[in-house]
Amino acid sequence: EVQLVESGGGLIQPGGSLRLSCAASGFTFRSYSMNWVRQAPGQGLEWVAYIHSSPTTTFYADSVQGRFTISRDNANSLLHLQMNTLRADDTAVYYCVREGGAFDYWGQGTLVTVSS
Amino acid sequence: EIVMTQSPATLSVSPGERVTLSCRASQSVGRNLAWYQQKPGQTPRLLIYYTSTRATGIPARFSGSGSGTEFTLTISSLQSEDFAVYYCQQYDNWPPKTFGQGTKLEIK
Repeated sequence: EVQLVESGGGLIQPGGSLRLSCAASGFTFRSYSMNWVRQAPGQGLEWVAYIHSSPTTTFYADSVQGRFTISRDNANSLLHLQMNTLRADDTAVYYCVREGGAFDYWGQGTLVTVSS
Repeated sequence: EIVMTQSPATLSVSPGERVTLSCRASQSVGRNLAWYQQKPGQTPRLLIYYTSTRATGIPARFSGSGSGTEFTLTISSLQSEDFAVYYCQQYDNWPPKTFGQGTKLEIK
């Protein structure tokens, strides 16, 4: 069974940093590209970042470019999102998502709240 | 960036009805279009990919069609568990793999 379990969310002040992690199991992690998708309270889905299975290729939404960094540890089946210079509009549930073209498996999400 | 537009924003329907949700792309995405279902308080779930292929475990009452810029998701006979928000997403021209704003199905 595919499982994606996010951790690392919480309350952080504007300008602060946070590192999210996602522990993957039930599939060959190193063979899949991965994404982070977020959902602000009461809002729709927003793709945040992508990393290829061989972690040489990454892409970011314009809204987080230069502030967020996606990375992965294939040896330990972990996905990370380093978030710096956080703003109030980064407040959202962040989902770890596996992709095979479409986004076929989603974690339960971790809530990040940016507020003073 | 390809913009995905879903209509309507909210749809009030009765159980047992047939319902069609629409999704339009600002430019052609071929058939690289997916649909997701999100129930209140739950994580999104992949329903349909490549326009019309049901994901694992998705009931046959869900079907997708279209190509290019116009797509539809049809639920043949609404069940109580189908009341949710539905999102379309293109994955043809990326980044980003853009989502529509969602259509909420509510009970009439």
